[in-house]
Amino acid sequence: AQSVTQPDIHITVSEGASLELRCNYSYGATPYLFWYVQSPGQGLQLLLKYFSGDTLVQGIKGFEAEFKRSQSSFNLRKPSVHWSDAAEYFCAVLDNSGNTPLVFGKGTRLSVIA
Amino acid sequence: GAVVSQHPSWVICKSGTSVKIECRSLDFQATTMFWYRQFPKQSLMLMATSNEGSKATYEQGVEKDKFLINHASLTLSTLTVTSAHPEDSSFYICSAKYYNEQFFGPGTRLTVL
Repeated sequence: AQSVTQPDIHITVSEGASLELRCNYSYGATPYLFWYVQSPGQGLQLLLKYFSGDTLVQGIKGFEAEFKRSQSSFNLRKPSVHWSDAAEYFCAVLDNSGNTPLVFGKGTRLSVIA
Repeated sequence: GAVVSQHPSWVICKSGTSVKIECRSLDFQATTMFWYRQFPKQSLMLMATSNEGSKATYEQGVEKDKFLINHASLTLSTLTVTSAHPEDSSFYICSAKYYNEQFFGPGTRLTVL
């Protein structure tokens, strides 16, 4: 069964600094990969997704992620963080047969300081 | 496109009562919907998979008699929390499958007094 590891529970960055959130997955083949963001008390918002093709994926709000098969990773990056980016970020993996539900990592909470 | 709604967005009820949460796919048909539960500062935990016209498949440890799921049409799945107790207080999120993605509702905050 597939699994997702987000090694960092909480990250604090200064506004304007760059950001990288780590995500590693365990799956026998190439899965479908997703990053979601959740603000307190809110639902999930899809930031970006990878199905196939170009391994560098652009998303909304200036985020990007890079799929690295050799490292089983799908790290999320942003070159310059804004205070409004403070939220919980979830990496998720989907079996590429599409027959099983998304499996989520435990999430990384991002705090942004002035 | 691919919008999922949930109703209500929040509900407060007394212990022992039942609460129904609706999940609708607004602009697509979803043969499969999923129900997740999220405790504060934790990730989403899959409760059950709901398939239109058949019984839901519950994850291990989820009480099927407490969390009744009905997927009566291709656009509607309901979760009923029966005889709710304070420990059932949580954030419930539904998700509808469309092609190779899942689209999420905005969630329902349940508080049981």
